[in-house]
Amino acid sequence: AQTVTQSQPEMSVQEAETVTLSCTYDTSESDYYLFWYKQPPSRQMILVIRQEAYKQQNATENRFSVNFQKAAKSFSLKISDSQLGDAAMYFCAYKLVFGKGTKLTVNP
Amino acid sequence: DTGVSQDPRHKITKRGQNVTFRCDPISEHNRLYWYRQTLGQGPEFLTYFQNEAQLEKSRLLSDRFSAERPKGSFSTLEIQRTEQGDSAMYLCASSPRRAIEAFFGQGTRLTVV
Repeated sequence: AQTVTQSQPEMSVQEAETVTLSCTYDTSESDYYLFWYKQPPSRQMILVIRQEAYKQQNATENRFSVNFQKAAKSFSLKISDSQLGDAAMYFCAYKLVFGKGTKLTVNP
Repeated sequence: DTGVSQDPRHKITKRGQNVTFRCDPISEHNRLYWYRQTLGQGPEFLTYFQNEAQLEKSRLLSDRFSAERPKGSFSTLEIQRTEQGDSAMYLCASSPRRAIEAFFGQGTRLTVV
């Protein structure tokens, strides 16, 4: 069975600092997509970044980047220059399977 | 078309009643997904459609749950004989292809009293 594990239920970061959210997954497939979604309080889920497994280069979207380690089945999200608006639940997803999420707090 | 639309946004029902939720996906998306999310948890996959065909159902989807997508457009999720454990946020999402990210609606929050 495919599983996604986010081992950090909560994380906090100072505004303008960098934070890394962890995610590991389990699969026997070789070609797939991985995603990080953001869910602000009482608002809808939106995509932050996606990674195609056959691409060795780590995906980057502005202040968001990933560290994709295919052999280790690890897919962490790095948020640089954290902003107050980054405060949200962050979910790692492999296909249709989501992790339990990490609640990110940004301190001013 | 501004995104995935779900109706109603909130639903309070008495235990034992039936409820039905509607999802209107982004118009060019042929794949539609239903998820359930409880407080502090990630979305749990319930079922997915490609056009009008229901291709996958989670074991979470008991006999009291049924989903349809007539004509491959909007979808409905019905829960019969609701139980308190059904209280959750029900999320709908759509995508143009399975491997590409899903676009989520704002969800329907169900409270069973």
